[in-house]
Amino acid sequence: QVQLVESGGGVVQPGGSLRLSCAASGFTFSSYGMHWVRQAPGKGLEWVAFIRYDGSNKYYADSVKGRFTISRDNSKNTLYLQMNSLRAEDTAVYYCAKDSGVVVVAATPDYWGQGTLVTVSS
Amino acid sequence: EIVLTQSPATLSLSPGERATLSCRASQSVSSYLAWYQQKPGQAPRLLIYDASNRATGIPARFSGSGSGTDFTLTISSLEPEDFAVYYCQQRSNWPLTWTFGQGTKVEIK
Repeated sequence: QVQLVESGGGVVQPGGSLRLSCAASGFTFSSYGMHWVRQAPGKGLEWVAFIRYDGSNKYYADSVKGRFTISRDNSKNTLYLQMNSLRAEDTAVYYCAKDSGVVVVAATPDYWGQGTLVTVSS
Repeated sequence: EIVLTQSPATLSLSPGERATLSCRASQSVSSYLAWYQQKPGQAPRLLIYDASNRATGIPARFSGSGSGTDFTLTISSLEPEDFAVYYCQQRSNWPLTWTFGQGTKVEIK
């Protein structure tokens, strides 16, 4: 079955950097686009970024554009999120999610990991 | 940017009752609308995609309807495990982005 396991969260100071990873299994990782979605404590869901199945195109929410970079290594079945210039408002649980569309189709997140907590605080 | 507005914010119902949740988009999203369920401490679970299609393994008591700007998630008869927060979500194709509504909490009355 589809499994997504995030790691790399932790406490970081404002202005700092962090890299999240998401290990995927149970499906053909190289055939699906992947998302990062976050949820601030006690708040709703916010889409962060999407990368196409082959890494050819990347899309970002305005709130993270220029600071966050999504990437993937299809040989390792792993998704990444490099987060730079972190702010207090970036504090959230970060989920990776598989897109339901195959190859070139971008559809909607269907399977989600359990998330990793990022806390930005001095 | 398309904004999704969910109503009501909280729905207080008893097991066995029918739940009707609304999601309104600030402009047409065609049928690119999904619904998710989230329980405390858990990841979201996809219930409905493309406005009216149930995701794999989702019970038939969950149904979605609507197109354009007005969408509805209906739970025909609430089970104890259905008390949770529900989010709608849309995809815009240009630019390619996804947006969530603010959520509706279905609580036990």
